[in-house]
Amino acid sequence: ETGVTQSPTHLIKTRGQQVTLRCSSQSGHNTVSWYQQALGQGPQFIFQYYREEENGRGNFPPRFSGLQFPNYSSELNVNALELDDSALYLCASSLASGGAYEQFFGPGTRLTVL
Amino acid sequence: AQSVSQHNHHVILSEAASLELGCNYSYGGTVNLFWYVQYPGQHLQLLLKYFSGDPLVKGIKGFEAEFIKSKFSFNLRKPSVQWSDTAEYFCAVNAQTGRRALTFGSGTRLQVQP
Repeated sequence: ETGVTQSPTHLIKTRGQQVTLRCSSQSGHNTVSWYQQALGQGPQFIFQYYREEENGRGNFPPRFSGLQFPNYSSELNVNALELDDSALYLCASSLASGGAYEQFFGPGTRLTVL
Repeated sequence: AQSVSQHNHHVILSEAASLELGCNYSYGGTVNLFWYVQYPGQHLQLLLKYFSGDPLVKGIKGFEAEFIKSKFSFNLRKPSVQWSDTAEYFCAVNAQTGRRALTFGSGTRLQVQP
């Protein structure tokens, strides 16, 4: 069973640029959630995708957007990068069928905005 | 809106000492409760979870947690810690209905000294 994978591992961008982060969900999972983890803090929910549709969003501006593909992999796009966007971005996959939606996390992408 | 409070930000223990990490949550409905662990350089891993039933749940590596509904608490315990338990611990909740996004606490850094 393949776990959740994310790419790239690290990324350095400058203010105003745009970035795309990628996530491959665990085999059989149809739901992907994205979280932002700033240094010294817990992860914060950005949004969730279920069967290619956005299925809920946290308190993040519209310049954070995403996609989910037919194979349930996902992208997180951030436009007009700001210094405060520097964080670890986590992807988590789950199977949306009852239970507690136990989420399995990937290793994350560390984004540094200069 | 949900919120999670972890009262201990940094805990230092000697090997074989007992551990208890506090977690309180705020939410008006029924929740699922989780403890995740993040070892240095590794991704978030699930330690244990509570959905319903017996409020005392056992997880991996000898950890357990007790859900006390009247106190909105879900404290993590381990009778005897090991050096390998050095990590960051996160309490998280999600609603039992709806999108079930996780709300995390700010984390507790546990340092176990040999």
